[in-house]
Amino acid sequence: NFMLTQPHSVSESPGKTVTISCTRSSGSIASNYVQWYQQRPGSSPTTVIYEDDQRPSGVPDRFSGSIDSSSNSASLTISGLRTEDEADYYCQSYDSSNRLFGGGTKLTVL
Amino acid sequence: QLQLQESGPGLVKPSETLSLTCTVSGGSISSSSYYWGWIRQPPGKGLEWIGTIYYSGSTHYNPSLKSRVTISLDTSKNQFSLRLSSVTAADTAVYYCARVRGNFRVDYWGQGTLVTVSS
Repeated sequence: NFMLTQPHSVSESPGKTVTISCTRSSGSIASNYVQWYQQRPGSSPTTVIYEDDQRPSGVPDRFSGSIDSSSNSASLTISGLRTEDEADYYCQSYDSSNRLFGGGTKLTVL
Repeated sequence: QLQLQESGPGLVKPSETLSLTCTVSGGSISSSSYYWGWIRQPPGKGLEWIGTIYYSGSTHYNPSLKSRVTISLDTSKNQFSLRLSSVTAADTAVYYCARVRGNFRVDYWGQGTLVTVSS
């Protein structure tokens, strides 16, 4: 079994850039794709990044994803922060036995 | 546009079985291109993967829930279902049905339905 660990919360000002990390506890982060989901209060999650660094149509290019094998982690970076980006963000990945979400990160834009 | 809608009881007694159905419109659950899955979220907490089913009927379940979970298909009604047995208060959550692509990417979610386990 592996776990995906995210910071509980992050905050940043409008117009700035924020990065949310997702660290895999065992197994290589590069071995299985990572997805990122945004969930606003009272709503279902939506995909902002899939397959490590791909953006679905309709997601602004302010959202980007990457992986870093040296830290065995994935990252979601949001630039030019807007108040509408305030939400919970979840990473998700898998292996042959498990499909897991990270614990989620609450992004506050203040 | 694909739509998924969960339905089922909002209140289940402890030790009983939780049963939910997801009705899919705008697409066929018989497609070989996708899996169909269930994900839950306890109030104020994070997301938990429950399991998936393929059009062939092949299933995969979260190992921590495997002994209590059954996911099934009804292709005649374009629906799939979740059964979770021996529920406790820890199973209280919003339950989402979802379409899952290869690499286990969820691309469509239902609106979610709150199930409370209480006597």
